[in-house]
Amino acid sequence: GENVEQHPSTLSVQEGDSAVIKCTYSDSASNYFPWYKQELGKGPQLIIDIRSNVGEKKDQRIAVTLNKTAKHFSLHITETQPEDSAVYFCAASIYQKVTFGTGTKLQVIP
Amino acid sequence: KAGVTQTPRYLIKTRGQQVTLSCSPISGHRSVSWYQQTPGQGLQFLFEYFSETQRNKGNFPGRFSGRQFSNSRSEMNVSTLELGDSALYLCASSLGTSGGQDTQYFGPGTRLTVL
Repeated sequence: GENVEQHPSTLSVQEGDSAVIKCTYSDSASNYFPWYKQELGKGPQLIIDIRSNVGEKKDQRIAVTLNKTAKHFSLHITETQPEDSAVYFCAASIYQKVTFGTGTKLQVIP
Repeated sequence: KAGVTQTPRYLIKTRGQQVTLSCSPISGHRSVSWYQQTPGQGLQFLFEYFSETQRNKGNFPGRFSGRQFSNSRSEMNVSTLELGDSALYLCASSLGTSGGQDTQYFGPGTRLTVL
């Protein structure tokens, strides 16, 4: 089955700096790659997603890149703010079967 | 539009008992997926239902089962509970019709504690 690896597991940045989280997947059939943010006591919330026919997508301070050849995708958050502190999960989906990465705990230091 | 709702939010059970969790998807969504989240194993896919049929299944034992009703509401059942079943159980809904490229929206989860 699909295997998704996510790095780093923890990440501390100063407010205003950028944060980058990287993921790799194993199954070339995966065609949908969402990123979720999970705050304490809440369910994951979609922050951005990318489909396999797109290489890059940006939404304000958040961007995602996908390299299908290398089977890796990354999340970039610019101008980080304290409210960005949370656990972030990448995921890879094949026909609605979603495999999640192990999560990255992001801490933004004011 | 109302989000995904899950009931109950918290449950405490003892080993050997069974439990049923409920999920109401976003209006118009026909796909409901269930996930187990634990500190050790992370987020793991249990199964997905679409139009009352199980369409996908993860690698969980048969003690974990589910169903979906004609109004797309879904229930998940765990029989003969074990200590290791303690987890946050998350439900996610989506339209389910975009070849696996649907956005899934998660509910707040049900926190199950098995004593």
